[in-house]
Amino acid sequence: QKEVEQNSGPLSVPEGAIASLNCTYSDRGSQSFFWYRQYSGKSPELIMSIYSNGDKEDGRFTAQLNKASQYVSLLIRDSQPSDSATYLCAVTTGGGNKLTFGTGTQLKVEL
Amino acid sequence: GAGVSQTPSNKVTEKGKYVELRCDPISGHTALYWYRQSLGQGPEFLIYFQGTGAADDSGLPNDRFFAVRPEGSVSTLKIQRTERGDSAVYLCASSPTAGVSPLHFGNGTRLTVT
Repeated sequence: QKEVEQNSGPLSVPEGAIASLNCTYSDRGSQSFFWYRQYSGKSPELIMSIYSNGDKEDGRFTAQLNKASQYVSLLIRDSQPSDSATYLCAVTTGGGNKLTFGTGTQLKVEL
Repeated sequence: GAGVSQTPSNKVTEKGKYVELRCDPISGHTALYWYRQSLGQGPEFLIYFQGTGAADDSGLPNDRFFAVRPEGSVSTLKIQRTERGDSAVYLCASSPTAGVSPLHFGNGTRLTVT
């Protein structure tokens, strides 16, 4: 079992729709959770961080965390073509200081 | 500088050669991480430093890989006897505090072993 799992996609949504990206993790001790966006040929950039159960909203982005079920998700409202990228889920593992990434989900927002 | 700086941006080397990749983190960031990313994959953890010491090197694939951070700032990833399978983008990231703070990534070094 991989430490952090994501559906590789591609996930295609029409412009203006809600995109839902999911991630599961195996380390019950994980405490910090992050979503990164990566455009083709570029480095990952931080979108959201979440540390406690529930929802966290920032503009069009909402991160959701459920530690009991060991999943974290990212919702993107009013999706724009510029949101087309690979979204990486990252989770602290190995005692808390190592950040482990999933393989990423490719999102395509279509006009 | 304002962000994490990695040099060179591209490196092409022949199989069997030695390479060094450099990372200059954000000023004041004590934690520094190295990752390797292959096409279509997420970043794969290699090693992280807290200050000058390697706090976790469990991701280094074998003894051909080594990294140092002698003064707690700039880090160098060293790869001996390179193999074609080492070809990837090597990413460096830093954060103010390991584990809690998000990572800030550099632009990466694309290593190609021919």
